[in-house]
Amino acid sequence: GDSVTQMEGPVTLSEEAFLTINCTYTATGYPSLFWYVQYPGEGLQLLLKATKADDKGSNKGFEATYRKETTSFHLEKGSVQVSDSAVYFCAFKGDAGGTSYGKLTFGQGTILTVHP
Amino acid sequence: GAGVSQSPSNKVTEKGKDVELRCDPISGHTALYWYRQRLGQGLEFLIYFQGNSAPDKSGLPSDRFSAERTGESVSTLTIQRTQQEDSAVYLCASSLRGTGAYEQYFGPGTRLTVT
Repeated sequence: GDSVTQMEGPVTLSEEAFLTINCTYTATGYPSLFWYVQYPGEGLQLLLKATKADDKGSNKGFEATYRKETTSFHLEKGSVQVSDSAVYFCAFKGDAGGTSYGKLTFGQGTILTVHP
Repeated sequence: GAGVSQSPSNKVTEKGKDVELRCDPISGHTALYWYRQRLGQGLEFLIYFQGNSAPDKSGLPSDRFSAERTGESVSTLTIQRTQQEDSAVYLCASSLRGTGAYEQYFGPGTRLTVT
């Protein structure tokens, strides 16, 4: 069935380090892909998205590229900050006709901690 | 403007009791979603309302779970005869439309503890 597999955490980095959080998905058709972030004590919020193959979503220095051939949407940031410490969720929304149409299917989340 | 609101923020109930959770979506959003987040896990889809269409109930884990939505407004999620495995954070989200890649805006959640 449809699913998202995320890199297991927790991930601990020093400030200014390079970040990659891997995400792959299993879905039919051409889903839209998302990264959501949950900062400590806050609600879930959209970080970035991509809606078609080879699209790159970007926000707050984070980037992710929709790779149809590898069904991946890895999250990257060149230089992390302490304020990036949060839980990151990869998700997809299926297209019309698919079993995941309309709703988001989430990965299990990756906890990121950035130390000064 | 106001975001998605949920009430109560916390609910502690005894096993076997019924609970009702409420969600107020963003005004004008036609799509409304309920998800469940168990400790240390990702979000699990429960149910999706889109306008006046029949809801997608495919994620409801058992017939103890039900949800209603009044038009394009408030929604309530009801869990009957609660069990300990129902303990989780229940999140509501709304979006302008259910189709396409419209952003889902999440509420702060209701933390349910079944003792």
